[in-house]
Amino acid sequence: EAQVTQNPRYLITVTGKKLTVTCSQNMNHEYMSWYRQDPGLGLRQIYYSMNVEVTDKGDVPEGYKVSRKEKRNFPLILESPSPNQTSLYFCASSFSTKNTEAFFGQGTRLTVV
Amino acid sequence: GDSVTQMEGPVTLSEEAFLTINCTYTATGYPSLFWYVQYPGEGLQLLLKATKADDKGSNKGFEATYRKETTSFHLEKGSVQVSDSAVYFCARASANNAGNMLTFGGGTRLMVKP
Repeated sequence: EAQVTQNPRYLITVTGKKLTVTCSQNMNHEYMSWYRQDPGLGLRQIYYSMNVEVTDKGDVPEGYKVSRKEKRNFPLILESPSPNQTSLYFCASSFSTKNTEAFFGQGTRLTVV
Repeated sequence: GDSVTQMEGPVTLSEEAFLTINCTYTATGYPSLFWYVQYPGEGLQLLLKATKADDKGSNKGFEATYRKETTSFHLEKGSVQVSDSAVYFCARASANNAGNMLTFGGGTRLMVKP
């Protein structure tokens, strides 16, 4: 089954404790992206990757890092989480960036206290 | 830059009522347009899409027509069901190979009462 898998689904952590949210896709997609969803703001892009070892900032990259060492995996790293990073995070992948459907993971609800 | 504006919710309807959720987009290029749906506790799923002007996307009784002249892509359904209760997002694709794969509207929560 074609899917994007994120882990964990739920995470509560404390300020400053490094964490990683994993994302994996089994569709051989070149393009992967991370979004955060906040009430009234819709989805905002954090980082994206157009292929292995190619990553770039989205609209709200501050406080986040990513890596793309393999085509299928695109982890999101919070080196020193802060309460304003409490949000619902989604990983997405697509075959290309132009006019193609994006496939989303089920989301990771992160709470930073 | 690219942007998408959709009506704020929540939208509360009775079962079998007619639904319209408005969506307009910036006219940079000729992007594909999408409606995604998010059911409670789940990720976003593609509901329908249209790739060029005058195209009509349809799925599960929902329809939306790509209107270039009004830069709109309004979502409609003739008779909603309780199971349609969800958050609906309008989105446009990037006009070129720019990094922002999709630009989303703010989402509209639909609540359908029996």
